[in-house]
Amino acid sequence: SYELTQPPSVSVSPGQTASITCSGDKLGIRYAYWYQQKPGQSPVLVIYQNNKRPSGIPERFSGSNSGNTATLTISGTQAVDEGDYFCQTSDSSAYVFGTGTKVTVL
Amino acid sequence: QVQLQQSGPGLVKPSQTLSLTCGISGDSVSSHSAAWNWIRQSPSRGLEWLGRTYYRSKWNSDYAVSVKSRITINPDTSKNQFSLQLNSVTPEDTAVYYCTRGQYYFDYWGQGTLVTVSS
Repeated sequence: SYELTQPPSVSVSPGQTASITCSGDKLGIRYAYWYQQKPGQSPVLVIYQNNKRPSGIPERFSGSNSGNTATLTISGTQAVDEGDYFCQTSDSSAYVFGTGTKVTVL
Repeated sequence: QVQLQQSGPGLVKPSQTLSLTCGISGDSVSSHSAAWNWIRQSPSRGLEWLGRTYYRSKWNSDYAVSVKSRITINPDTSKNQFSLQLNSVTPEDTAVYYCTRGQYYFDYWGQGTLVTVSS
């Protein structure tokens, strides 16, 4: 079965750039999606189709996808961006999520 | 604005059936462009897509291989909702269960229901 791997944690200083990677075999030929989840809340879609932002998602969130790696970038990270981030793609009429990355704003 | 409201018990005994319902407002379960999914989340398994139902001239369902023999997702057009039934549950089925809207990704999520499988 298809697997997506993320680093368990990423730390970033306020105002700096956080990059979260998501690795999977030839992921670049699929679309990648990203979700943010805060404690006790449901996930929220922050990036779809590799690099598109849903309405209401700040411009500091951006995405890319090439080769075996998709990347979510948070520019000018704010304390409110702390939380867990999950990547997702589709595989044979099913959907796969990454292992998740906890972002800490120090 | 689409809203999904989940309902159902938070405690299920081993070997019994887990049943949850997701009420839809702001969209239709019979939409020709949407799909209605169940996803669960646990510390051991992470986020796991379980299955979906959708209408494209007829009703269709797709299920994850991991639960295919035990799961049913059904639409209820009279109440504009859809349901999850998971049979023969074990403690490994303990998780937060979410209903979502989405065909390739998930743009609206229910509030989540913690379901514990325990005697």
